[in-house]
Amino acid sequence: SQTIHQWPATLVQPVGSPLSLECTVEGTSNPNLYWYRQAAGRGLQLLFYSVGIGQISSEVPQNLSASRPQDRQFILSSKKLLLSDSGFYLCAWPHPRRGGEQFFGPGTRLTVL
Amino acid sequence: DQQVKQNSPSLSVQEGRISILNCDYTNSMFDYFLWYKKYPAEGPTFLISISSIKDKNEDGRFTVFLNKSAKHLSLHIVPSQPGDSAVYFCAAVVGGYGQNFVFGPGTRLSVLP
Repeated sequence: SQTIHQWPATLVQPVGSPLSLECTVEGTSNPNLYWYRQAAGRGLQLLFYSVGIGQISSEVPQNLSASRPQDRQFILSSKKLLLSDSGFYLCAWPHPRRGGEQFFGPGTRLTVL
Repeated sequence: DQQVKQNSPSLSVQEGRISILNCDYTNSMFDYFLWYKKYPAEGPTFLISISSIKDKNEDGRFTVFLNKSAKHLSLHIVPSQPGDSAVYFCAAVVGGYGQNFVFGPGTRLSVLP
């Protein structure tokens, strides 16, 4: 069965520090992968999506970046965090047979102080 | 401009009664709609979906209604249970591809015992 992992589960970082969040998937190959952010009191905002290794599309301008070094690995990064980067970050992939449905990982709670 | 709106940030319902969560959208190109349920500190989980060619889809206690002319959908939960207490996100997608997913801001449902 397909599984999606996110690491770490929670993170507290000072403003200006770097960031690296990891998402890995198991049980499938060549998945499309997505990074979402849920900010306090707001819905889910699509940040990046990737259709394959080295292929990243950004949905919104920001100080975050994403990379797809391996087929089953999707990384969200920042060189210098801002207070506004605080939020709940979710990795997702589409259902292999029901493309309109997305599976979400457990999420990473990021607090920038 | 929000393409998917959930105008009620919160809703409280007595256990055993019906919960009705509403969602409005503006983009007539959306052809697939989904509801996700999210508990705190967890990723959203898929609940139920409906294609634009239908006006109703039912799965156990959950029923989604779609009114295309009004660009409105609703989720009915009958009977409501305390375990249904969560944030519910409405999502809309064009063509079934994740990069076209748009989520609403969510409605927090509280089912009171």
